[in-house]
Amino acid sequence: DAEITQSPRHKITETGRQVTLACHQTWNHNNMFWYRQDLGHGLRLIHYSYGVQDTNKGEVSDGYSVSRSNTEDLPLTLESAASSQTSVYFCASRQGVAGELFFGEGSRLTVL
Amino acid sequence: AQKVTQAQTEISVVEKEDVTLDCVYETRDTTYYLFWYKQPPSGELVFLIRRNSFDEQNEISGRYSWNFQKSTSSFNFTITASQVVDSAVYFCALSEAYRGAQKLVFGQGTRLTINP
Repeated sequence: DAEITQSPRHKITETGRQVTLACHQTWNHNNMFWYRQDLGHGLRLIHYSYGVQDTNKGEVSDGYSVSRSNTEDLPLTLESAASSQTSVYFCASRQGVAGELFFGEGSRLTVL
Repeated sequence: AQKVTQAQTEISVVEKEDVTLDCVYETRDTTYYLFWYKQPPSGELVFLIRRNSFDEQNEISGRYSWNFQKSTSSFNFTITASQVVDSAVYFCALSEAYRGAQKLVFGQGTRLTINP
């Protein structure tokens, strides 16, 4: 069965360190997204990609970057982790404008 | 710009009561899609329903029903005869259809607690 997986599922890091969260999907979807979930804010879009070599900023992109070198993967990098980036991160993918969004299981990141 | 508002932050009811979760959206597009997702305490996000802007028929799936009203830009979700297993955070989301806007924008979520 096709799926979308995230790793690591849990990570604790220190302020200032670089962190990369991996996202891999086997749906062959062109569209991939990263969201963060915080209490009181719901799911907020960080970055998204419509295909290989395409990346776009979402509403909360500061301090984050993504790259899309193939269809399956969209890694999310925190260049210099900050305590404000402590959150649960969800990767998702979908095909087209009407398709449902398929989510990974989430990655809980704690920045100390 | 697209926007989704779920004004109810938390709702708590007793089991077997009916409960309605409100969702109001804003969009300039004439073609768009609305979604509801459920996030149980285990944390995963579960797709419940998708509705396109041209289909205003209400949808019923077991104890779940959805009322889409374009006139009020609302897409409300009702659970009939609620059960403890319905306890979760519920998200409403909007996706506009024009080229380059294939992202979903989510509301803040409503935390629903069903008490036995």
